[in-house]
Amino acid sequence: GDSVTQMEGPVTLSEEACLTINCTYTATGYPSLFWYVQYPGEGLQLLLKATKADDKGSNKGFEATYRKETTSFHLEKGSVQVSDSAVYFCALSDRNTGNQFYFGTGTSLTVIP
Amino acid sequence: KAGVTQTPRYLIKTRGQQVTLSCSPISGHRSVSWYQQTPGQGLQFLFEYFSETQRNKGNFPGRFSGRQFSNSRSEMNVSTLELGDSALYLCASSFGTGGAKTQYFGPGTRLLVL
Repeated sequence: GDSVTQMEGPVTLSEEACLTINCTYTATGYPSLFWYVQYPGEGLQLLLKATKADDKGSNKGFEATYRKETTSFHLEKGSVQVSDSAVYFCALSDRNTGNQFYFGTGTSLTVIP
Repeated sequence: KAGVTQTPRYLIKTRGQQVTLSCSPISGHRSVSWYQQTPGQGLQFLFEYFSETQRNKGNFPGRFSGRQFSNSRSEMNVSTLELGDSALYLCASSFGTGGAKTQYFGPGTRLLVL
């Protein structure tokens, strides 16, 4: 079945450091891939998405490229800020399974000044 | 456009009771999905409704049920509550279903079962 494997945390970085959160997936069809972010006490917010191979999603300085050959969708940011501290979830939605989302376990990021 | 709203935000119940949670999707969205989030199990899919019909169901016992109304608002019900049902329950809406439609999440209802 479909699944998402996400780099375990927690991750602690200093402000302006580079961030990479690894995400790999298994899917039977042709999934769309997503990164969601969850701030304390809130629901999930869509950060970025990519719907086909080689697409790059980007938002707020974050980027992720859909790599079909390595079944990966790693999240990157060149310079993190304190306000980026949150939990990040990688997710996929497979056309073959309709609108059901499969989420990774989440990676907690703390950015210290 | 208003986002997904969920009520109540917090709830405390005792074992054996039942609870009903409500979700109002973004205007124009017809698909509503429910998820349970716990520290141990992460985000788990409960079910999805589209046009008042359940389209997908996750691997949860029959104590968990839901429904959707003609205005796309949805409710989920948990009967005979157990301690393990303590969780954050998230609702997500999307414009359609099938394919890969982006889901937009509400703030969640935090349920504590004592």
